[in-house]
Amino acid sequence: AQKITQTQPGMFVQEKEAVTLDCTYDTSDQSYGLFWYKQPSSGEMIFLIYQGSYDEQNATEGRYSLNFQKARKSANLVISASQLGDSAMYFCAIPSMNTGFQKLVFGTGTRLLVSP
Amino acid sequence: DGGITQSPKYLFRKEGQNVTLSCEQNLNHDAMYWYRQDPGQGLRLIYYSQIVNDFQKGDIAEGYSVSREKKESFPLTVTSAQKNPTAFYLCASSDRQGAPGYSNQPQHFGDGTRLSIL
Repeated sequence: AQKITQTQPGMFVQEKEAVTLDCTYDTSDQSYGLFWYKQPSSGEMIFLIYQGSYDEQNATEGRYSLNFQKARKSANLVISASQLGDSAMYFCAIPSMNTGFQKLVFGTGTRLLVSP
Repeated sequence: DGGITQSPKYLFRKEGQNVTLSCEQNLNHDAMYWYRQDPGQGLRLIYYSQIVNDFQKGDIAEGYSVSREKKESFPLTVTSAQKNPTAFYLCASSDRQGAPGYSNQPQHFGDGTRLSIL
């Protein structure tokens, strides 16, 4: 079964600095994808970035990028030039395709606090 | 603007009462999902539906029920059988994947409903 591990319960970063949020995963699928979501204090889950296991390049989306290391089964999210609005919970997720259906398995999340 | 609307934002349930959480989407997505989030935890899947008039149990379906009579609507009922319903509930939708295998279609979420016991 798919599993996501996020070992950092909380991270602190100063505004304008870069920060890396860790995510390791376990899957027996040969082909898979990884998603990162942001959850502000208001509660909604916002899709940030996606990485396919066979994508040749690491995914990038504006200030977000993925440091994808397939052999180590890690897909760390890098946020460059942090902003105060980046303070939120961040979740890594992997689809579970056992039933041919995209059920997302989430990690426990990392709380990021950006200070001025 | 397209999106997912959940209502109400806050809901209180009395002992022995059933309550229904609303979820409506205008993204024309086939698949819809209900998740539960407890403090300090990630999301857990309650029910999902890939198409109208069809739905499947997720990992924690006991004490919950759903219906999918219309493509845009996927209401969740928290029944009196759910003994610990206090949680944050999130509804999501996504495009239906076209072929077996992994999908790169992200799930889009609503703003959530916070349910508490009176």
